Amino acid sequence: DAKTTQPPSMDCAEGRAANLPCNHSTISGNEYVYWYRQIHSQGPQYIIHGLKNNETNEMASLIITEDRKSSTLILPHATLRDTAVYYCIVRVGGTGNQFYFGTGTSLTVIP
Amino acid sequence: NAGVTQTPKFRVLKTGQSMTLLCAQDMNHEYMYWYRQDPGMGLRLIHYSVGEGTTAKGEVPDGYNVSRLKKQNFLLGLESAAPSQTSVYFCATGKGLNTEAFFGQGTRLTVV
Repeated sequence: DAKTTQPPSMDCAEGRAANLPCNHSTISGNEYVYWYRQIHSQGPQYIIHGLKNNETNEMASLIITEDRKSSTLILPHATLRDTAVYYCIVRVGGTGNQFYFGTGTSLTVIP
Repeated sequence: NAGVTQTPKFRVLKTGQSMTLLCAQDMNHEYMYWYRQDPGMGLRLIHYSVGEGTTAKGEVPDGYNVSRLKKQNFLLGLESAAPSQTSVYFCATGKGLNTEAFFGQGTRLTVV
């Protein structure tokens, strides 16, 4: 199973772009990279996912390196409401389609 | 459209008592999951189901049982609660492979 490594914490100034890195050097060719966030003690919220191409939606952009060993989640204009724990997850293959969470990155957006 | 609903939201149990947590979804999703989250940690998968009538073990299944008798419901049972099972429990559902999962708002369980 591919594991992920994320920095435990990061700060970002309000209005600036937040760039959250993730290493997944053992990722397999058919495994997707997913990003979720958890605000306070709420249920995790889906942000974005991708396989090899860069992806963008209304919340964020996902940049995956060509060798797929790392990725970066970009929140283009961080707001105070983006303060949360961000989880980078590589989807386990097989029939269960399980998500395995690590400890994530605690992002604090500073006014 | 309620999405994923967990019942109850809070519960205090005495050691040795039993209880069942209910996860109900109205999205017609095949996959359902139960996670637990302890302070300062990420979510850990307890059990999951890939369809009605199926269940499988996750990372931390010991002390828990599950059932998926109906597609829309996934039950998590604690037969004899222990203080180590004090945690926040999250249920999630998913449409299928390579799609996102949707989480409920959690059940905070304390075992004294």
